[in-house]
Amino acid sequence: QKEVEQNSGPLSVPEGAIASLNCTYSDRVSQSFFWYRQYSGKSPELIMSIYSNGDKEDGRFTAQLNKASQYVSLLIRDSQPSDSATYLCAVNPPNFGNEKLTFGTGTRLTIIP
Amino acid sequence: DVKVTQSSRYLVKRTGEKVFLECVQDMDHENMFWYRQDPGLGLRLIYFSYDVKMKEKGDIPEGYSVSREKKERFSLILESASTNQTSMYLCASSLRLAGVSSYEQYFGPGTRLTVT
Repeated sequence: QKEVEQNSGPLSVPEGAIASLNCTYSDRVSQSFFWYRQYSGKSPELIMSIYSNGDKEDGRFTAQLNKASQYVSLLIRDSQPSDSATYLCAVNPPNFGNEKLTFGTGTRLTIIP
Repeated sequence: DVKVTQSSRYLVKRTGEKVFLECVQDMDHENMFWYRQDPGLGLRLIYFSYDVKMKEKGDIPEGYSVSREKKERFSLILESASTNQTSMYLCASSLRLAGVSSYEQYFGPGTRLTVT
């Protein structure tokens, strides 16, 4: 089982709709979770961090964390063509002093005008 | 804003050459990382450093070495480039404050290396 799993997509969503991206992780005691956006040919850009169960909103983006079910999701409201990108989920393994992140392979999102 | 820069956006090298990729961050971050990214395999950690002259192997260190002589600079070295090292190389940094990391990593623009 992969440590961080994402549906590779592509996920196609009409402009103006809600895009829902999901990520599951294997280590139950992971504490820190991140969503990165990566445009084609560019480097990943951090868009959301979440550390506690529940929802965290930032503009059109909402991150949701459910530690009991070991999943984290990203909702994008009012999707725009500029949201078309690959979204990477990243998890910090729980080992003390471990600075590393484990990344999923990403979900490719396409917003259809 | 955190700024991470990498020495080259595109690089073409021949098999057997020694290759240096440099990364500089301007936010006084303690932690620096080198990844490679390949289609279908995602981001894989090569090496990371949590302090000057300190380094730790990541998941795929074979064929690579690193150097961190100054806090802001982290270099990746391919001792003898091979075609299977053709990839996108990404540098990242993160903050550690009072011994506690934020874990948020910020990436440079990447270097697309082609080894022929």
